[in-house]
Amino acid sequence: GAVVSQHPSRVICKSGTSVKIECRSLDFQATTMFWYRQFPKQSLMLMATSNEGSKATYEQGVEKDKFLINHASLTLSTLTVTSAHPEDSSFYICSAIPGLAGGFSETQYFGPGTRLLVL
Amino acid sequence: KQEVTQIPAALSVPEGENLVLNCSFTDSAIYNLQWFRQDPGKGLTSLLLIQSSQREQTSGRLNASLDKSSGRSTLYIAASQPGDSATYLCAVKSGGSYIPTFGRGTSLIVHP
Repeated sequence: GAVVSQHPSRVICKSGTSVKIECRSLDFQATTMFWYRQFPKQSLMLMATSNEGSKATYEQGVEKDKFLINHASLTLSTLTVTSAHPEDSSFYICSAIPGLAGGFSETQYFGPGTRLLVL
Repeated sequence: KQEVTQIPAALSVPEGENLVLNCSFTDSAIYNLQWFRQDPGKGLTSLLLIQSSQREQTSGRLNASLDKSSGRSTLYIAASQPGDSATYLCAVKSGGSYIPTFGRGTSLIVHP
């Protein structure tokens, strides 16, 4: 089946630094990828939709200058948490829809997640 | 705006029991509904995807049903095993959007 990877799986950083998380579709191309954030015992909250070759679409309340998204190719999207603070500590998960058109009925494939801890 | 509710929030059962997890949604105009499994600290694994035109899907010991008119889906797990312990999430895609709406999940523990 389709595989999505994330790197790193876990990162610890000091407050004020920037952290980049990569999301790759390993065996398929994806025009559209998504970035989610998940707090303990909570469901996934969509942060933004990443579109290859264009600007990401951010959900209400998500700071686009803090969470920079770059979808540089059909297999790679990156999320950079800039000037990270302890409240940014969370579990970040990406997903991708196979195909170049991203049909509504297509299933999403999720990455394994990245645990971010900001000290 | 679509809202997805999962009941129960948590469930603890002895091994061997047959289980029913519930998912309800407020807007019946959906494209599909998907059940996921999430192990602690891990990403999501897709279990079953039901298109809006389908009534149910089966995979091994898992069976998911969909009743759009009543806004409900159930995930049936037969002969539960300790390895089934995880959080089960329901996600509904609707409204001409690529973006599914997730429920909060049901945390399942199956003890030996």
